[in-house]
Amino acid sequence: ILNVEQSPQSLHVQEGDSTNFTCSFPSSNFYALHWYRWETAKSPEALFVMTLNGDEKKKGRISATLNTKEGYSYLYIKGSQPEDSATYLCAFMTTDSWGKLQFGAGTQVVVTP
Amino acid sequence: DAGITQSPRYKITETGRQVTLMCHQTWSHSYMFWYRQDLGHGLRLIYYSAAADITDKGEVPDGYVVSRSKTENFPLTLESATRSQTSVYFCASSEIQSDEQFFGPGTRLTVL
Repeated sequence: ILNVEQSPQSLHVQEGDSTNFTCSFPSSNFYALHWYRWETAKSPEALFVMTLNGDEKKKGRISATLNTKEGYSYLYIKGSQPEDSATYLCAFMTTDSWGKLQFGAGTQVVVTP
Repeated sequence: DAGITQSPRYKITETGRQVTLMCHQTWSHSYMFWYRQDLGHGLRLIYYSAAADITDKGEVPDGYVVSRSKTENFPLTLESATRSQTSVYFCASSEIQSDEQFFGPGTRLTVL
């Protein structure tokens, strides 16, 4: 079992502030890194799928970077809004895990007005 | 409506009973997955399927059985439910193995 670690476990952000958090994964046999947004009482929704070292993805105020050589990805939220409150999951896939995603435990973000 | 659905949404059962959770998707996605939500672990893969009649174990397959006779359906059976199987179960699908996964609404299962 490969370990995908997310930090911090939770964070509180004031509305309008920017924040970022980390996903760490083993750097060997990298294939893909997923980010999902999971609101309470809903289902996880995909934000990004990243496959290339140095990749940067952006969706609105949320962006992500990927470093496959050192095994980490950052998710950034710019100008946080209350609707950004959710748990953000990252998930990692290797070249020999054949479709199996290994999820981290998530970073819970609470944005207060 | 197009999408991925799960049934039942809520289920209470007793230890030792057999329970089947249903998953149906209308996109004709090749890949389908079953996860369970565990505190401190996020989502853990139980089983997945690459196509009809092709299934493989995930991280926590013990006590579960799956089948996939049709592309659109992927039922998960708990052969003899145990209290440790109390969880929220999510089904997901994707077009290709590395693509984003689309999750169903989840089934909350309680084993008494």
